[in-house]
Amino acid sequence: KAGVTQTPRYLIKTRGQQVTLSCSPISGHRSVSWYQQTPGQGLQFLFEYFSETQRNKGNFPGRFSGRQFSNSRSEMNVSTLELGDSALYLCASSLARDEQYFGPGTRLTVT
Amino acid sequence: AQSVTQLGSHVSVSEGALVLLRCNYSSSVPPYLFWYVQYPNQGLQLLLKYTTGATLVKGINGFEAEFKKSETSFHLTKPSAHMSDAAEYFCAVSREGTGFQKLVFGTGTRLLVSP
Repeated sequence: KAGVTQTPRYLIKTRGQQVTLSCSPISGHRSVSWYQQTPGQGLQFLFEYFSETQRNKGNFPGRFSGRQFSNSRSEMNVSTLELGDSALYLCASSLARDEQYFGPGTRLTVT
Repeated sequence: AQSVTQLGSHVSVSEGALVLLRCNYSSSVPPYLFWYVQYPNQGLQLLLKYTTGATLVKGINGFEAEFKKSETSFHLTKPSAHMSDAAEYFCAVSREGTGFQKLVFGTGTRLLVSP
């Protein structure tokens, strides 16, 4: 069974631009969560989607948003990029409540 | 609120030596506990998890962890380190019964293995 895939793997953007990252969960998984990983703040929860509905959101500004499609694929969007948004963005999918499977991440660099 | 503390940002061992990575958690409800490993430029891979039942949990690659409620700990061990174990390890806690997924991670421990 294929794992969680994230595209693109690497991305370079300029301050003020917006970016969209994509995540395809493991087949059959309906929950998709997003995390941001930075050297300073570590791994932080962004939001979780289940059956196209956002179930929970972390403490990030409104510039960070996401959505989930009927096939469970998810996208996250960051508008008006700031230098501090440079990070590894990880997507995780799960079937049951107790286990999440992570993708390889998208490395976003904001210049 | 739940939290996780990992003692030691770096741990160095020799190949063949015991690996011990420490994790303490704080939770007002019975926790689900996890250990993940991250290799450079990769995502997180689940090593093992504790949800309910047996407190000694065995995972992949020879790792195991013991849930000790009285000590609020979930330390990760491996009897004999291999060079391939060099990576960053994250302990995480999630909240039971909320109906959603949210992992709270520790700050990570980088394991260095010398020949």
